Amino acid sequence: AQSVTQPDIHITVSEGASLELRCNYSYGATPYLFWYVQSPGQGLQLLLKYFSGDTLVQGIKGFEAEFKRSQSSFNLRKPSVHWSDAAEYFCAVGDGNNDMRFGAGTRLTVKP
Amino acid sequence: KAGVTQTPRYLIKTRGQQVTLSCSPISGHRSVSWYQQTPGQGLQFLFEYFSETQRNKGNFPGRFSGRQFSNSRSEMNVSTLELGDSALYLCASSLGLAGGPTDTQYFGPGTRLTVL
Repeated sequence: AQSVTQPDIHITVSEGASLELRCNYSYGATPYLFWYVQSPGQGLQLLLKYFSGDTLVQGIKGFEAEFKRSQSSFNLRKPSVHWSDAAEYFCAVGDGNNDMRFGAGTRLTVKP
Repeated sequence: KAGVTQTPRYLIKTRGQQVTLSCSPISGHRSVSWYQQTPGQGLQFLFEYFSETQRNKGNFPGRFSGRQFSNSRSEMNVSTLELGDSALYLCASSLGLAGGPTDTQYFGPGTRLTVL
């Protein structure tokens, strides 16, 4: 079965700085990859997803992620972080057959 | 289009009781998945229902059960509640099976269950 690792439990960045959240997956075939964001007390909102094609995926709120098969990674990036981006971010991998696995999450704090 | 709704939003129960949580998916979605989220264990998959059939089940005891109705609405039941069942229970709906090439899961706001 597939698995997901988010190596960073907590990241702090200054407002306006760039952001990269790491995600590594383990899966034998081409995975279906997702990034979700969860604000306090809320459910998860999809930021972006990768199924096939262009390995650089654009999402909502100015986020993007790059699928790197050689590194088994799907890191999330944003060039300039806003205070409203403070939240918890989850990477997830699907096997295309109703099995979804989520990472443990990375909590993002934004300093003014 | 209305999003995924979950009721109730908050619930307080005592050990040994049972509880039923409800999830209404986005109109037209046929798959409903349930997740348990706790600070210690993160987001853990409970089960997925598609067209009224359980298609996948996570590693949870039999006290956790669910069902899906013909209108795709789903309920989750936990019997003989334990303190460790305190968690945020999230429901997600998708057009087809979760994690698939055509599908994205849309999450509800969750039900916060506290077991005393």
